[in-house]
Amino acid sequence: RKEVEQDPGPFNVPEGATVAFNCTYSNSASQSFFWYRQDCRKEPKLLMSVYSSGNEDGRFTAQLNRASQYISLLIRDSKLSDSATYLCGIQEGSGNTGKLIFGQGTTLQVKP
Amino acid sequence: NAGVMQNPRHLVRRRGQEARLRCSPMKGHSHVYWYRQLPEEGLKFMVYLQKENIIDESGMPKERFSAEFPKEGPSILRIQQVVRGDSAAYFCASSKAGGPYYEQYFGPGTRLTVT
Repeated sequence: RKEVEQDPGPFNVPEGATVAFNCTYSNSASQSFFWYRQDCRKEPKLLMSVYSSGNEDGRFTAQLNRASQYISLLIRDSKLSDSATYLCGIQEGSGNTGKLIFGQGTTLQVKP
Repeated sequence: NAGVMQNPRHLVRRRGQEARLRCSPMKGHSHVYWYRQLPEEGLKFMVYLQKENIIDESGMPKERFSAEFPKEGPSILRIQQVVRGDSAAYFCASSKAGGPYYEQYFGPGTRLTVT
């Protein structure tokens, strides 16, 4: 089993739709969770950190489910500009130096 | 520009040559991470450095790859005797401190092509 798994998609949705992605992780000692957005041939850009209590930033909501070992990203009112690959990054537990373990990414295509 | 800086942005090397990739962390950051993204693959951790120290090199290939972060100047990822399989995008990230919880910000990357 991979350490961090994402459904690669693509998720094809119309503008205005709500879409959600999940990211599962295998190490129960994982401590920190992040969502990044990566456009084609560009660097990953930090979208948001994921806190135990959840995190919301405008149209984006991130949740953490420790019991089932996954994080989620919800995008409301999708825009054409949301089309990108969404990467989850996980930092593991004790002794960890902070290195991020990434999933393969989920591709989102928002259509007019 | 206070962001993470990497150069060169594109680098072409023939098989057997050396590649040197440079990274200057974001202002106020002293922790540097290198990641590699192979075509059609995910982003993989390579090495984590602080000034004059390699903290975690668990993701570095055993041979030909080395990294440093000197007291003065940028962090350098060095690949000796490059092979076609080294063709990839190499991203540097920086954080304010090390360990979990600290957010990492990525530079624009260096795209290495080995011919």
